[in-house]
Amino acid sequence: ETAVFQTPNYHVTQVGNEVSFNCKQTLGHDTMYWYKQDSKKLLKIMFSYNNKQLIVNETVPRRFSPQSSDKAHLNLRIKSVEPEDSAVYLCASSYGGANTGQLYFGEGSKLTVL
Amino acid sequence: TQTVSQSDAHVTVFEGDSVELRCNYSYGGSIYLSWYIQHHGHGLQFLLKYYSGNPVVQGVNGFEAEFSKSDSSFHLRKASVHWSDSAVYFCAGTPTGYQNFYFGKGTSLTVIP
Repeated sequence: ETAVFQTPNYHVTQVGNEVSFNCKQTLGHDTMYWYKQDSKKLLKIMFSYNNKQLIVNETVPRRFSPQSSDKAHLNLRIKSVEPEDSAVYLCASSYGGANTGQLYFGEGSKLTVL
Repeated sequence: TQTVSQSDAHVTVFEGDSVELRCNYSYGGSIYLSWYIQHHGHGLQFLLKYYSGNPVVQGVNGFEAEFSKSDSSFHLRKASVHWSDSAVYFCAGTPTGYQNFYFGKGTSLTVIP
């Protein structure tokens, strides 16, 4: 049963456009994450928010920015997309940060940049 | 530097066979280890986790994993696979005090009916 909701599930756009992905969790968790999954299925952490505070910010291009209104929402904005941004973006949540050993994922948002 | 590695990119078995998917970690201290399954076109789903205690942990759908400190391993097993177990399996590790889940490269399991 899905409790981490991502929209949109698919998005096709052209180079230079702006894209936003939304994520909401209904689990009452206090930590949310964005992962990028490339065409080889490799998972890379992009951002992590704990109670609206950024606690992990891996080296990602500046055109990516996380946005959080409360602990249940973590959106991802890409200001000017590049071809290498084509990937599946996965939102996840956990309770008590990473030291619970358990993440809950959304279904993913697939971005195709033409 | 902490590392989780999955040595097998692809594993193919027949329905009803047993299977073991391998995961090794490199970290000297305490670490949370977990396994996830990803069916095609979907997000990852949690299967099981280990931190301490009984080294054999049970998960959903008949999966289990065994932690070995001496081998630095956390292998996933299932006694009798079903075609619906075909998916990509990810091992993840979080060293105590770290704020990130580090994922292996994944193992694609194909179960032939």
